[in-house]
Amino acid sequence: GQSLEQPSEVTAVEGAIVQINCTYQTSGFYGLSWYQQHDGGAPTFLSYNALDGLEETGRFSSFLSRSDSYGYLLLQELQMKDSASYFCAVRVTPGQRDDKIIFGKGTRLHILP
Amino acid sequence: NAGVTQTPKFRVLKTGQSMTLLCAQDMNHEYMYWYRQDPGMGLRLIHYSVGEGTTAKGEVPDGYNVSRLKKQNFLLGLESAAPSQTSVYFCASSSLPGLAYTDTQYFGPGTRLTVL
Repeated sequence: GQSLEQPSEVTAVEGAIVQINCTYQTSGFYGLSWYQQHDGGAPTFLSYNALDGLEETGRFSSFLSRSDSYGYLLLQELQMKDSASYFCAVRVTPGQRDDKIIFGKGTRLHILP
Repeated sequence: NAGVTQTPKFRVLKTGQSMTLLCAQDMNHEYMYWYRQDPGMGLRLIHYSVGEGTTAKGEVPDGYNVSRLKKQNFLLGLESAAPSQTSVYFCASSSLPGLAYTDTQYFGPGTRLTVL
């Protein structure tokens, strides 16, 4: 089967740094994406990695190691508004009839003042 | 530019009733998707479309049908609703992956469906 594994919950302190890991097992791999979802809201795109290495977007960074089938999202200078759920997602074989996107079950990030 | 919109926002159905959820996007995206989200389950793909007139099954397609008669619209139908279909339904769209060095999905606000 195809699966993405990420921790169900993470707790961190305001102003600190937190890392959310994602490991995947899929039949194909095009890229790893990260989405943020606040309670009652829709998922919004944060970051994307197709190649190994680190991508930085402001306070958020995302890392990918395709050989390890592993990635992570790094959030720096945490703010209370970062309290949300974070999902990793893998697109499988794009452009083909069996193209799919698989989402992890999400990591709930709790931030303490 | 409204992005992705969904109709309705909320709905309560009785078991056995039918309904159609409408998704519309104004970004000229080729790909459109329907997901359901249940507590602790993340997002699960129901059906998707890679272009006008084409549809394909996702991870959890049973009990749902879809149509993509126009590029900007993607309809999700429940022919005979069941309590197990109580969920939050999200529509999303994206451009063709591979044409741009990104893979962003744009999500609608969601439809909260309760089946009694």
